[in-house]
Amino acid sequence: DTAVSQTPKYLVTQMGNDKSIKCEQNLGHDTMYWYKQDSKKFLKIMFSYNNKELIINETVPNRFSPKSPDKAHLNLHINSLELGDSAVYFCASSQALAFLGGANVLTFGAGSRLTVL
Amino acid sequence: DQQVKQNSPSLSVQEGRISILNCDYTNSMFDYFLWYKKYPAEGPTFLISISSIKDKNEDGRFTVFLNKSAKHLSLHIVPSQPGDSAVYFCAASAQGGSEKLVFGKGTKLTVNP
Repeated sequence: DTAVSQTPKYLVTQMGNDKSIKCEQNLGHDTMYWYKQDSKKFLKIMFSYNNKELIINETVPNRFSPKSPDKAHLNLHINSLELGDSAVYFCASSQALAFLGGANVLTFGAGSRLTVL
Repeated sequence: DQQVKQNSPSLSVQEGRISILNCDYTNSMFDYFLWYKKYPAEGPTFLISISSIKDKNEDGRFTVFLNKSAKHLSLHIVPSQPGDSAVYFCAASAQGGSEKLVFGKGTKLTVNP
């Protein structure tokens, strides 16, 4: 049973298209994230949702729109794709520990490699 | 603005020897540090963490050391095994409402048989 699953794993598309990546977690976690790993290999946070509410938005272009229909799902929709959007996008989840203390341990999905031509 | 830095892109060690992966940080507000391991075509998986109030945490073959005054941490793997070959990411977080993990660029460890 995959804990954090994202689809599709690979996505090749043309500039200007709109695409979505879906993510689901079965861990019962309260918080979900989208991270982007670009060509320089940095893993950078894009968004974080806690119980369907947006809590982190790291100055991502508004062409990127996350949607959380429930706390087990966090989808990422990207409009008007650009060459620079090519990257691996990782979904992750964690228990909300901000008020409990302890390390915030994220569980990641396997990633979705997006290639924009 | 790299708040978490892993200055060695790669490291190669012999099986059975010690692997030492290093990480430096700039944000003194960080109070938890984590190491993740990543195999190709998979997501990062959590390995070990340390709180800023400790200077050492051990879990089997993996030990993390924290030097707060130097803003430096290291991951020791001993003995190293070929299955440890992966990219290792250092990450840090600051409590106080944000649950954001800030990652370093990763170090690719190769353990040769």
